Amino acid sequence: GQQLNQSPQSMFIQEGEDVSMNCTSSSIFNTWLWYKQEPGEGPVLLIALYKAGELTSNGRLTAQFGITRKDSFLNISASIPSDVGIYFCAGLAGSNYKLTFGKGTLLTVNP
Amino acid sequence: EPEVTQTPSHQVTQMGQEVILRCVPISNHLYFYWYRQILGQKVEFLVSFYNNEISEKSEIFDDQFSVERPDGSNFTLKIRSTKLEDSAMYFCASSELSYEQYFGPGTRLTVT
Repeated sequence: GQQLNQSPQSMFIQEGEDVSMNCTSSSIFNTWLWYKQEPGEGPVLLIALYKAGELTSNGRLTAQFGITRKDSFLNISASIPSDVGIYFCAGLAGSNYKLTFGKGTLLTVNP
Repeated sequence: EPEVTQTPSHQVTQMGQEVILRCVPISNHLYFYWYRQILGQKVEFLVSFYNNEISEKSEIFDDQFSVERPDGSNFTLKIRSTKLEDSAMYFCASSELSYEQYFGPGTRLTVT
């Protein structure tokens, strides 16, 4: 089946730093989504990307849909303590409805 | 802001028992989904539902699982005879189109 390789697995940064995480796949995805999950809660949609090469921002978050359609990255600028959580990439491929999720990047922000 | 809701938040059941997990999707959404997340692992797709029928299901979604939209607002996942390995967080999601899927807070299912 399709798999998404997400890196890094975890990051420890200081408040105010920028952070970058990415997802790669051996197969093509038509839509990339980035979610954030906090303990005991469901994933919250942050950004959706629909076209190869697309760069989209949501506040301090910026994400790009790779030109090969096999990768995506998420940047968070000027991190704050409430950015703490697990960030998941997820992709939709072909005409199916199922999201394939990466394993997540655990972000810790030290104040 | 509209959101997906799920009940109960935590369900404890004995192995072999039937459980029904309930979800109220966002009201104007047409596509509904169930995912599960075993503790510490990634989120896994179970099933998608559109126009009152299953549109896709994963290999996890075997004969022990079923979904139903019993009325205009609820969407349920039934596990007929729970196994220990069914213990997980179960997330309901919905989308207007099949792209931006919005997730509920989840039901933690513990099978003892």
